[in-house]
Amino acid sequence: GAVVSQHPSRVICKSGTSVKIECRSLDFQATTMFWYRQFPKQSLMLMATSNEGSKATYEQGVEKDKFLINHASLTLSTLTVTSAHPEDSSFYICSARGRLARTDTQYFGPGTRLTVL
Amino acid sequence: AQTVTQSQPEMSVQEAETVTLSCTYDTSESDYYLFWYKQPPSRQMILVIRQEAYKQQNATENRFSVNFQKAAKSFSLKISDSQLGDAAMYFCAYRIYSGGGADGLTFGKGTHLIIQP
Repeated sequence: GAVVSQHPSRVICKSGTSVKIECRSLDFQATTMFWYRQFPKQSLMLMATSNEGSKATYEQGVEKDKFLINHASLTLSTLTVTSAHPEDSSFYICSARGRLARTDTQYFGPGTRLTVL
Repeated sequence: AQTVTQSQPEMSVQEAETVTLSCTYDTSESDYYLFWYKQPPSRQMILVIRQEAYKQQNATENRFSVNFQKAAKSFSLKISDSQLGDAAMYFCAYRIYSGGGADGLTFGKGTHLIIQP
């Protein structure tokens, strides 16, 4: 099956700093990547959708200036949390969709746990 | 807006028995996908089974099968011969079908499945 990696798996940062999370599709070209956020014991909430070479589309309530998404290539998307605060602490998960026809399964990365002190 | 409801926060089943997890959804669309994902303690999202709304036949994957009732907007997951490795959070998810495939998943709140040895 298709493999998606995320780096780092865990990150701890001080309040006010910026953190970058990478999402890579290792064995397929990802035309679309998605970023989700999961609070403890809660469900996944879609934050944004990014298509290669285009600006990301953000869900309602997600600050695009705070969560910067770049999808510069068909195998890499990055999420940068700018000026992080403790309330940004969460589990961030990416998924990637490849160039398949109707069977457009999303493949998930292992997630990144962000802790803001 | 689409919503996905999982009314069972937690379910428990004896090893080797059968368990059914419930999921209902609300949508005005006629063409969409439904999924069940498993999230073990590692937090890695694993696709269990998928169903395309235009298909009347219920999807099956080995011990996993669904009961898809389109008119009732119901999509339950049956796990037969439960195994200890099935213990996890199970999320029901919905995605509208669009030609570009650039739509993220809407998840339910999840059901925590416990397998009793």
